[in-house]
Amino acid sequence: GDSVTQMEGPVTLSEEAFLTINCTYTATGYPSLFWYVQYPGEGLQLLLKATKADDKGSNKGFEATYRKETTSFHLEKGSVQVSDSAVYFCALDTNAGKSTFGDGTTLTVKP
Amino acid sequence: GAGVSQSPRYKVAKRGQDVALRCDPISGHVSLFWYQQALGQGPEFLTYFQNEAQLDKSGLPSDRFFAERPEGSVSTLKIQRTQQEDSAVYLCASSLAGRSNQPQHFGDGTRLSIL
Repeated sequence: GDSVTQMEGPVTLSEEAFLTINCTYTATGYPSLFWYVQYPGEGLQLLLKATKADDKGSNKGFEATYRKETTSFHLEKGSVQVSDSAVYFCALDTNAGKSTFGDGTTLTVKP
Repeated sequence: GAGVSQSPRYKVAKRGQDVALRCDPISGHVSLFWYQQALGQGPEFLTYFQNEAQLDKSGLPSDRFFAERPEGSVSTLKIQRTQQEDSAVYLCASSLAGRSNQPQHFGDGTRLSIL
């Protein structure tokens, strides 16, 4: 079946550091890939998405590139801020919107 | 505009009781999803509706779990004879249409605790 494996956390960085959160997937067919973010006390919200191979999703300084050859969708940001502290979920979708999620990676950014 | 609304935000029930969780999706969204999220894990799919039709219920863990969306809008997830392992956050999401490139919009969830 479909599955998503995320880099284990928690991840702690200093402000302005470079961020990478790894995500790899297993899926039949051609999935769409998503990163969702959950800020403290809030619900899940979409951060970015890519719907086909080599697409790059980007939002709020975050980027992720859909790599079919390595079945990966790693999340990156060049300079993190304290306000980026949250839980990040990688997800895929192959079947009319039914999503499969990773277990989440908790990011803490210290000033 | 209004997002996905779930109620109650918190529910505490004794083992063996029945509970009902409500989801109000974004107006006009055709697709509605229920997920179960255990502590420290990602959401796990439970069931999916397109309008009033329940197209996939493969994720429901047992026949104690039942979901409905009779008029294609509001949905209710019902859990009968609750057990301690049912304790989790139950998330509802909606999307404009049932296509895999559409992002889902999530509610804040209902945190269910079974004593």
